[in-house]
Amino acid sequence: AQKITQTQPGMFVQEKEAVTLDCTYDTSDPSYGLFWYKQPSSGEMIFLIYQGSYDQQNATEGRYSLNFQKARKSANLVISASQLGDSAMYFCAMPRNAGGTSYGKLTFGQGTILTVHP
Amino acid sequence: DTEVTQTPKHLVMGMTNKKSLKCEQHMGHRAMYWYKQKAKKPPELMFVYSYEKLSINESVPSRFSPECPNSSLLNLHLHALQPEDSALYLCASSQVRGGGKTQYFGPGTRLLVL
Repeated sequence: AQKITQTQPGMFVQEKEAVTLDCTYDTSDPSYGLFWYKQPSSGEMIFLIYQGSYDQQNATEGRYSLNFQKARKSANLVISASQLGDSAMYFCAMPRNAGGTSYGKLTFGQGTILTVHP
Repeated sequence: DTEVTQTPKHLVMGMTNKKSLKCEQHMGHRAMYWYKQKAKKPPELMFVYSYEKLSINESVPSRFSPECPNSSLLNLHLHALQPEDSALYLCASSQVRGGGKTQYFGPGTRLLVL
């Protein structure tokens, strides 16, 4: 069975500073992927970034990057130069199917609420 | 274009009403999903359609009835709901085959059952 753990219920950061949101996972699949989603108070789940377990480099998308440490089973999201609009709930998620390559179920963490202060 | 649209944005219904939620995507995705989400909790999968056929039903009560009329549309028919069904209902879509299995979500429908 897979498990995703986000240990930070809430995080605060000053505008323009960087922040790291933690995500650890547990899976027996040799090949898997990890997603990060942002959910503002409006409700929409916005895809941010994806990391495959066999990707040689950490994924980056603009101000978002993944600090992927396979041996530690962690895939932390780093947001650089925080903006007020980054205030939202952030979810780490993993596909539940074997190998992480099939469509279908996502295992979500419990989420972290990020608040960016001006 | 990674847009999934959902209507209505908000819905208030009584326990005896029948209503429907609609979801549409034009990304050519052949997998579509319904999720239910309570406040400050992660989404919970309800149904998955693949190639317009129901492939996953997460033991959802029969008062929720999904329908996939074509590859772009997904409906969720609601009947005789309970107050505890009040939640945010999210639709998502993804590819079925190939490397990109990212699920793209719509803005959701906030449902209140009185």
